[in-house]
Amino acid sequence: AQSVTQLDSQVPVFEEAPVELRCNYSSSVSVYLFWYVQYPNQGLQLLLKYLSGSTLVKGINGFEAEFNKSQTSFHLRKPSVHISDTAEYFCAVRIKKTSYDKVIFGPGTSLSVIP
Amino acid sequence: DAGVIQSPRHEVTEMGQEVTLRCKPISGHDYLFWYRQTMMRGLELLIYFNNNVPIDDSGMPEDRFSAKMPNASFSTLKIQPSEPRDSAVYFCASSLEDREGADTQYFGPGTRLTVL
Repeated sequence: AQSVTQLDSQVPVFEEAPVELRCNYSSSVSVYLFWYVQYPNQGLQLLLKYLSGSTLVKGINGFEAEFNKSQTSFHLRKPSVHISDTAEYFCAVRIKKTSYDKVIFGPGTSLSVIP
Repeated sequence: DAGVIQSPRHEVTEMGQEVTLRCKPISGHDYLFWYRQTMMRGLELLIYFNNNVPIDDSGMPEDRFSAKMPNASFSTLKIQPSEPRDSAVYFCASSLEDREGADTQYFGPGTRLTVL
C-alpha cells in the first residue's frame, strides 16, 4: 500500500537556524511530490512540488526540497528560519496509474521557531 | 480570483441535526476534494470529484456522510445525522489537471464544525 511518512511530528528550532523536515514515501510507481504549509487557522497552501528533472526543487519563502529516488525521500530544508515559518508542514504524494489516481498526505510536522 | 470559498466558516450544532457544508471551487478547475482534519487523525481525504463526477469516496466514514457536485461551481458535503465525533475542520480544495499531471491543490479556509 502507498503511504507517506513524516518522521518528526514536532520540530522546535531557534530563529535563524537551519531546519530539515523529513518525508519518506512508499510507492512502486513514479510519483509527483509536494510540500504544503498550513498556518494557524488557515487552509493548506503549496510550498513546492517535484515533477521530474532536477532533483533539487526551490519553493516559496526560501524553502527547497531534494528528491531522492533510491531512498524514496523528499526532505524539506531551509537554511535560516524565521518566526513566521512557524506552521504545520505536510508532505504529499500523487500516485497516478491507469486505474488509480490519488493524492496521499503525510501526518504533518509542526515547526515551531523559537525567538 | 477569489480562491476556494467555503461556507459557513464556523458551525455549531447539536447531535442529530443535519449539517450542510458548501464549497465553491476556483473557476475552471476540474477537480474538487473534501478533506477532514482533526488532531487525532490528521488530514483525511473524504471524497473527490473530477468534472463533477465522484471518483473516489472510499474516505467517506459512513452513510451519514454524503457529497454532491451538481455543477462545476458548487459542491456540498452533508452529514445527517451529525454526531460529536464529526467535530473537525472540513476543507474543500480544487485543482486543474496540468500537462505534467502534477496538479496543485488550492485549499479553502475550512469550516470548523462543532457538534454538541
